[in-house]
Amino acid sequence: EVQLVESGGGLVKPGGSLRLSCAASGFTFSTYTMNWVRQAPGKGLEWVSSISSSSNYIYYADSVKGRFTISRDNAKDSVNLQMSSLRAEDTAVYYCTRGDGDYVHWGQGTLVTVSS
Amino acid sequence: EVVMTQSPATLSVSPGERATLSCRASQSVSTNLAWYQQKPGQAPRLLIHGASTRATGIPARFSGSGSGTEFTLTISSLQSEDFAVYYCQQYDDWPPWTFGLGTRVEIK
Repeated sequence: EVQLVESGGGLVKPGGSLRLSCAASGFTFSTYTMNWVRQAPGKGLEWVSSISSSSNYIYYADSVKGRFTISRDNAKDSVNLQMSSLRAEDTAVYYCTRGDGDYVHWGQGTLVTVSS
Repeated sequence: EVVMTQSPATLSVSPGERATLSCRASQSVSTNLAWYQQKPGQAPRLLIHGASTRATGIPARFSGSGSGTEFTLTISSLQSEDFAVYYCQQYDDWPPWTFGLGTRVEIK
């Protein structure tokens, strides 16, 4: 069974940093593109970042470019999102997803709250 | 960036009735279109990919149609568990992969 488990969310002050992690199991992690998608409270879904299977291709939404860094460790079956210079508008549930386009598998999400 | 526009924002439907949700893309996305269902406090669930192919385990009452810029998700006979928010997403022209703002299907 495919499982994606996010961790690392919490309360952080504006301008602060946070590192999210997603632990994957139940599939051959090293062969799949991984993504982060977020959802602000009461709002819709927003794609944040993607990383290809070998980390050769990395993409970011304009809203996070230069502030967020995605990375993966295929030996540990995990993908990370390093978030810095956080803003109030980054407050959201962050989901880890698997896939190149449509996302069959999602984690349960981790809440990031940016507030003073 | 491909902008996805969903209508209506809210759809009030009685159980057992048919629900028709629309999604329009700002440019052609061929059939690279997915639909998701999201219930409160849960992660989204993939319903439809390739515009019309049901994902594994999705009941036959859910069907998708369309290509290019106009897409439809139809729920043939609404069950109580179908009241939720539905999102469309394009994966034809990326990055970014873009979602619509969602349609809330509520009990009439």
